[in-house]
Amino acid sequence: QSALTQPASVSGSPGQSITISCTGTSSDVGVYNYVSWYQQHPGRAPKLMIYEVSNRPSGVSTRFSGSKSGNTASLTIYGLQAEDEAIYYCSSQRLSAPDYIIFGGGTKVTVL
Amino acid sequence: QVQLQESGPGLVKPSETLSLTCAVSGYSISSDTHWGWIRQPPGKGLECIGTIYHTGSTYYKPSLKSRVTISVDTSRNQLSLKLSSVTAADTAVYYCARDVRGGAMDVWGQGTTVTVSS
Repeated sequence: QSALTQPASVSGSPGQSITISCTGTSSDVGVYNYVSWYQQHPGRAPKLMIYEVSNRPSGVSTRFSGSKSGNTASLTIYGLQAEDEAIYYCSSQRLSAPDYIIFGGGTKVTVL
Repeated sequence: QVQLQESGPGLVKPSETLSLTCAVSGYSISSDTHWGWIRQPPGKGLECIGTIYHTGSTYYKPSLKSRVTISVDTSRNQLSLKLSSVTAADTAVYYCARDVRGGAMDVWGQGTTVTVSS
């Protein structure tokens, strides 16, 4: 059982928008704005897509957007494209151990 | 350009110690930054083994704490991971990564596969 809860899979057609949720607790997602999202293609290292809930690193498409409400963070992908098919992981710091990072179980995004 | 490169044995026997290094280039490991070791068992998700601050302070996943040591070697600009008394459950791809702030790992190594088997 992962520390953060994500849906196992989400799918959408090209051009559509999808949202992936990441549910934690008041001891991690709910208390910190240090939520990150990663994209991982098969056989590749994870890539940082969103940090501090809603910030995009340089070079990441504006089609990726992050938000948070209470204990749940979300990643929305607008204008879904074939190359967005990957596994997405959320992460957060934990109140009891600020230097320790917890991950969600990952969400497989399928472009139909 | 910041690059990380993991290296170490790909095969470790049960009960032995897994030792990996992560060479950092294009960035000083002594900078005000956290560094992390993350692993991914076959077909499974990401797990943070632990992190180390440039000062040397560390935090380890509680369930691994008794077996893990993460350190930095500023003279070689690299960090290392030691995991003792390994079992098959420690078989995974091991990554090192730079944590720029609040767990945001912006640069990752390519990962190295470690198999625990006799």
